[in-house]
Amino acid sequence: KNQVEQSPQSLIILEGKNCTLQCNYTVSPFSNLRWYKQDTGRGPVSLTIMTFSENTKSNGRYTATLDADTKQSSLHITASQLSDSASYICVVSADNAGNMLTFGGGTRLMVKP
Amino acid sequence: DAGVIQSPRHEVTEMGQEVTLRCKPISGHDYLFWYRQTMMRGLELLIYFNNNVPIDDSGMPEDRFSAKMPNASFSTLKIQPSEPRDSAVYFCASTERGNQPQHFGDGTRLSIL
Repeated sequence: KNQVEQSPQSLIILEGKNCTLQCNYTVSPFSNLRWYKQDTGRGPVSLTIMTFSENTKSNGRYTATLDADTKQSSLHITASQLSDSASYICVVSADNAGNMLTFGGGTRLMVKP
Repeated sequence: DAGVIQSPRHEVTEMGQEVTLRCKPISGHDYLFWYRQTMMRGLELLIYFNNNVPIDDSGMPEDRFSAKMPNASFSTLKIQPSEPRDSAVYFCASTERGNQPQHFGDGTRLSIL
């Protein structure tokens, strides 16, 4: 069964600090891995998409890494801001068309002043 | 562009009633997805369409759920009869093509009493 596990489930950090969120997956076949940010009461918003041949991708202060051999990904947030408070969801696509997505349970991040 | 538009934003109804959720995808997007999000199960893909044709409905929980896409700018997800366990946030998303970011609406929060 395809699964995406994220850790930690929740995290509290102080504004300005860095943090790293983890994602492990058992999805086959693998097409791509995505990170989404979901603010409370809103739909998820795409941060990055990586194929198996890419091992890092950045979007502003967000940097995602991918190790396709160990089936692990991380999302690093640099110099956190209050607006980074949200749930971060790791998503893996198991089909070549990139439409059948398996979602992780998310990490809820709270950035405090 | 206004993004993916869903209506209603909130729906509260009694069990046994018919519920219809509506979605307007982003113009020019050929793919439309319906998701359900709960605390226990996270985000789950219910069904997706390509060029108005249902491609995969393996995530639809049971026959009480049905989805249609009569044209490129409109889709509905119907639950009949509704049950309390259907209570969740239902998201619609669209994308130009596979392996591209999916753009989510802000969801419909459904409560079945």
